[in-house]
Amino acid sequence: DQQVKQNSPSLSVQEGRISILNCDYTNSMFDYFLWYKKYPAEGPTFLISISSIKDKNEDGRFTVFLNKSAKHLSLHIVPSQPGDSAVYFCAASASKTSYDKVIFGPGTSLSVIP
Amino acid sequence: DAGITQSPRHKVTETGTPVTLRCHQTENHRYMYWYRQDPGHGLRLIHYSYGVKDTDKGEVSDGYSVSRSKTEDFLLTLESATSSQTSVYFCAIGGQSGGVYEQYFGPGTRLTVT
Repeated sequence: DQQVKQNSPSLSVQEGRISILNCDYTNSMFDYFLWYKKYPAEGPTFLISISSIKDKNEDGRFTVFLNKSAKHLSLHIVPSQPGDSAVYFCAASASKTSYDKVIFGPGTSLSVIP
Repeated sequence: DAGITQSPRHKVTETGTPVTLRCHQTENHRYMYWYRQDPGHGLRLIHYSYGVKDTDKGEVSDGYSVSRSKTEDFLLTLESATSSQTSVYFCAIGGQSGGVYEQYFGPGTRLTVT
């Protein structure tokens, strides 16, 4: 059973608008969450992370929100740009001081339409 | 970019043959990981290492073994390749940067088992 779920396989957004990518998890022991972006034929690239002690983390156009009670997190991209078109992976870890296992979701393919 | 390379980048092999993939890092990170990426599954953890000679299993470890005799090298071996192991394999390294844990991925190895 998947511990990290991304229920939207794909998402299309107009350039300049907000992109919201969602992620749900089932393991209440997860306490650190990461988002990655992946272009075809390349390795994933780390985007942004959030610890369970926070409910929001912002880095430029990217903001991640964490709702621990709902076991839900989301990545907001504002404004969306054509170069943001990629597959986005949500990932989670259950370790506070070490990161033995980082579990990934299946990914959401984002298309930003010019 | 993090100094992480994978070799070979592409390989075609026959069912039943042994295959070894190599991951090399120049960042001196403690954690190293092997993932496979398949459509609909995202990235699934095969094995990981938390130090020299310290390794453990991930989600999909059956049919794979690993070794880490030096900090910089993490080897993934398919003892007897099967068609179900056709996939793209990514190596990753993990470490702290400014108090934040990050994970960096290599460019991937596309393996085809015929």
